[in-house]
Amino acid sequence: DAGVIQSPRHEVTEMGQEVTLRCKPISGHNSLFWYRQTMMRGLELLIYFNNNVPIDDSGMPEDRFSAKMPNASFSTLKIQPSEPRDSAVYFCASSFAGGPGETQYFGPGTRLLVL
Amino acid sequence: DAKTTQPNSMESNEEEPVHLPCNHSTISGTDYIHWYRQLPSQGPEYVIHGLTSNVNNRMASLAIAEDRKSSTLILHRATLRDAAVYYCILRRSDYKLSFGAGTTVTVRA
Repeated sequence: DAGVIQSPRHEVTEMGQEVTLRCKPISGHNSLFWYRQTMMRGLELLIYFNNNVPIDDSGMPEDRFSAKMPNASFSTLKIQPSEPRDSAVYFCASSFAGGPGETQYFGPGTRLLVL
Repeated sequence: DAKTTQPNSMESNEEEPVHLPCNHSTISGTDYIHWYRQLPSQGPEYVIHGLTSNVNNRMASLAIAEDRKSSTLILHRATLRDAAVYYCILRRSDYKLSFGAGTTVTVRA
């Protein structure tokens, strides 16, 4: 199995630029999650999709952040415009379903640095 | 979400067992107990989960107290590759994984 694939693995950009992070979930999984990890706040859930539909976006910090899932095998997280405080590691995870006994499989993450 | 309490850090010698405690005194009857770990510079990785009974898999064992107010993750023979942050998480009847600070495990050669 390829696991969850994220790209790019590292991104360095300047404040004000648009950033797009990409995720390919594990084939057959119908739930997808975007998380953000910082030293100050730890791991936080940003948004959850089920069957390509956003179910919970209460963790999205503000309107500068948007996420889409146009099909079952691809999702994007976009930040526009980016700010230095957005610097973090962004993880994508997927699971077969969203239930409490289901395992979430995480990708390797995208390390974002906004200068 | 119900809260869990874990020690900040633990040290172990290679080839020895590691017992990682987790207190969850406000656990409800439908809360699953999940453990994930995060190796340096990697995404979190599922370790094990359980509801009421003790569980074993190839990575670890999970011992759940009879009253379910605490649990212990057991790594039977620690290796250097087990050095990671271990998270104890309670999951209710939904999808959310709420990560706390976890326990940083250091393994000495």
